Amino acid sequence: DAGVIQSPRHEVTEMGQEVTLRCKPISGHDYLFWYRQTMMRGLELLIYFNNNVPIDDSGMPEDRFSAKMPNASFSTLKIQPSEPRDSAVYFCASKKIDRGSGANVLTFGAGSRLTVL
Amino acid sequence: AQTVTQSQPEMSVQEAETVTLSCTYDTSESDYYLFWYKQPPSRQMILVIRQEAYKQQNATENRFSVNFQKAAKSFSLKISDSQLGDAAMYFCAYLGQGAQKLVFGQGTRLTINP
Repeated sequence: DAGVIQSPRHEVTEMGQEVTLRCKPISGHDYLFWYRQTMMRGLELLIYFNNNVPIDDSGMPEDRFSAKMPNASFSTLKIQPSEPRDSAVYFCASKKIDRGSGANVLTFGAGSRLTVL
Repeated sequence: AQTVTQSQPEMSVQEAETVTLSCTYDTSESDYYLFWYKQPPSRQMILVIRQEAYKQQNATENRFSVNFQKAAKSFSLKISDSQLGDAAMYFCAYLGQGAQKLVFGQGTRLTINP
């Protein structure tokens, strides 16, 4: 299993540009999460999906942020237009809930570091 | 709302010694999960150990163990025989039963002195 795969690992862009972050969850996982990590605010949940459907997007900062999950193996987080305050590490994570054991463990990708100049 | 507090922003320990990282949380729920995640300089978030609140026995994973005190809402992580590779940020996290949102503490940066 390759784990949760995110791209790009690093992105440097200028204010006003569109940014698209990508994520491939672990096969068979039916939940997908997008987190943002900053020094000031720590790890914040932006949005999560269950079976490709967005369930809770209350953490999305504003309308400049959007996330999609067109199928079970792919999700995107888009920022348009980007601003310097969006600079952060963005993590994608996935999980499945084992009904038998109750295991409920989130597996993270390596993160995408975004710098907006 | 549930909150997780890690009162030690930084800790350091000598290699081969034992260190304990503190975590407290606030909840009104009786069933939940607690986790410790490690984030090394590579920035990958790695699960270290997890505990189900209904289990009285403290979880153990090799050199890592927890001291789960449910009444005190405390969930500390003990690292025995510290190794240089243990140097990282450590995050305590809470997940309510039936919930999906993992609530993280602010993290503790652990330094291992050779």
